[in-house]
Parts: sequence; C-alpha cells; structure tokens
Amino acid sequence: GAGVSQSPSNKVTEKGKDVELRCDPISGHTALYWYRQSLGQGLEFLIYFQGNSAPDKSGLPSDRFSAERTGGSVSTLTIQRTQQEDSAVYLCASSLVWGSNEKLFFGSGTQLSVL
Amino acid sequence: AQSVTQLDSHVSVSEGTPVLLRCNYSSSYSPSLFWYVQHPNKGLQLLLKYTSAATLVKGINGFEAEFKKSETSFHLTKPSAHMSDAAEYFCVVSGSGTSYGKLTFGQGTILTVHP
Repeated sequence: GAGVSQSPSNKVTEKGKDVELRCDPISGHTALYWYRQSLGQGLEFLIYFQGNSAPDKSGLPSDRFSAERTGGSVSTLTIQRTQQEDSAVYLCASSLVWGSNEKLFFGSGTQLSVL
Repeated sequence: AQSVTQLDSHVSVSEGTPVLLRCNYSSSYSPSLFWYVQHPNKGLQLLLKYTSAATLVKGINGFEAEFKKSETSFHLTKPSAHMSDAAEYFCVVSGSGTSYGKLTFGQGTILTVHP
C-alpha cells in the first residue's frame, strides 16, 4: 500500500478481554516498530522487528503484551486480559531497512479504550 | 541508555513570528537525532534528522535544527510561523550499541499559532 495501515482505528473493550491490533507496513519495508502514546505522555517504544524476528522486546510493559510478525510483512500486537492503564494510541511504523538512521513512516494508530 | 527532554510542553506564537522548540538529549554514544511532527488526526511525519554530518540540519516546511554537542541540545527553529505549523512536535534520539534501532521520544511540544 501507499502507507502504513493500522486496524482497527478505534477499539473499545472491557477490562479483562484480549485484543489484537494489526499493522500493515509499507510493502518492502523490512523493519517494523510498535509504539504507545498515552494521554499526556510521549511516545513509548514497545518492540521492533527486523524481518520476522524481534531482537529487542524490552519495551513491552508486561507479559500480557506480545507481538508477532509473519512473512516479513503484517504484524499483530496482542494484549491479553486488558487493564484500564492499557488505554492509549498504539502506533506502528516501518522503515525500509533496520537502522537508527532510517526514516520511519508511521501509521495513524489504533485508539484503544479499556472500560 | 539514551533519553530526550523537551523543555516546553506548550509553545504559542503569532503567525509570522519565529518559532523555537527546545530539546536536550542524553546519550552514551554519538547520537542520531530527529524531529517528528504530528498534525491532528494524522500520523507522525519526519521533519528532519541529524546523523553526524553538518550540525545545522534543514528540514521540510522551512524548519531547521542545530546540533550543539557542548550543550547536548537539538533545538528546532523556523524564522516565520505559519498557521499550518500548528501541531505537536517530538524530539527523538536513536539508540546505539545494544539499543540499535530503538528510538526514544520526548514528551512532545504542542505548537499553537495565532493569527
């Protein structure tokens, strides 16, 4: 596609439920990143993928959070047993190759609300 | 570990006057630094990046930033603000070593432009 696509754009769920957030990176981009933006906070790094592997999972807030990427393309961020503090905008970004100097292209995010 | 501090959460200017958004960073290595902009209901967009070449970096829409190692600063400036510049701006530092590929975002500065 022309840009990074995230779905759903909005998700409302009840506390304790599991949610899946999807990211479609720009075609051909090998690096994919997940961030979280909470109200009044800056962007918080969660995890990145180089191809299908995730060298750095240190940003995941707890073991309720997991992410996978298959085929070097689509990624899914899963939050199990959601809590109210998980409410945030979850942003996905991709870049052509993995590297700290690479330009990231961001999706519009998924607004998650946990009631 | 790297970190970044944006010194102002809100900046308000009149159209046609200069813009200054302040950012200080901390990094154990020579950092790569970025400024991203987020317009309402839109994804993040890269404004400019510093990668150890020229210390004065020019970006899109007339913005520029100067890397000052002695002051550990990377302030964003624009000579004359336009109404369309109203947005939230993020200063970003990249990881190195074991954090290679990981971006750390500042808390963001909301820029308001008055007619």
